[in-house]
Amino acid sequence: QSALTQPASVSASPGQSITISCTGTSSDVGAYDYVSWYQVQPGKAPQLMIHDVSNRPSGISNRFSGSKSGKTASLTISGLQADDEADYYCSSYTTSATYVFGSGTKVTVL
Amino acid sequence: QVQLQVSGPRLVKPSETLSLTCTVSGGSVSSGAYYLGWIRQPPGKGLEWIGYTYYRGSTTYSPSLKTRVTISIDTSENQFSLRLSSVTAADTALYYCALSDFGDYAFDYWGPGTLVTVSS
Repeated sequence: QSALTQPASVSASPGQSITISCTGTSSDVGAYDYVSWYQVQPGKAPQLMIHDVSNRPSGISNRFSGSKSGKTASLTISGLQADDEADYYCSSYTTSATYVFGSGTKVTVL
Repeated sequence: QVQLQVSGPRLVKPSETLSLTCTVSGGSVSSGAYYLGWIRQPPGKGLEWIGYTYYRGSTTYSPSLKTRVTISIDTSENQFSLRLSSVTAADTALYYCALSDFGDYAFDYWGPGTLVTVSS
């Protein structure tokens, strides 16, 4: 299984909004609404930000939102803050009962 | 609050077997409440899913690793383990253990990660 496709980097100024795409196939992103998003910062354990396409775990800011259309899922961060600077990965459950991660996107706050 | 901690050798020789253990606190590996999984991140690269197991069910592995990987549960120690055989330098990575709540399709809890280097 190939990694899901994400843009390598996205940047914006504080207060702006960004959207990260995650494109897969009919065997993963397109098959189920089981897409999740993770924030990875240096020296920290990855953190779940969105699960089941658009659901936020308890404690995650409502500035983070998710959506999906066909084989492409998206993560939107609104009101960008310096602390949002991190790598973001999508993940999808697959029709083989496995998981696949995206290639990762580095978010830079200018 | 579930917490995870990985232990095991940080340096493994090529062709040998990498062995890591994830100790779970704040939850029980035998409760059936969690899927227990492993994920890794080679230096400078992205996350790679390795596999998961479930106390009351089967174990599933990444197709690219399934001939070399074994994930098992030790209920007496509330731990689960990863064994990866015939390692090469390509297996050098930050290894994470992670838990998914039963019924979820996401990795809800993560350990801090442990860097394992494959080198002679």
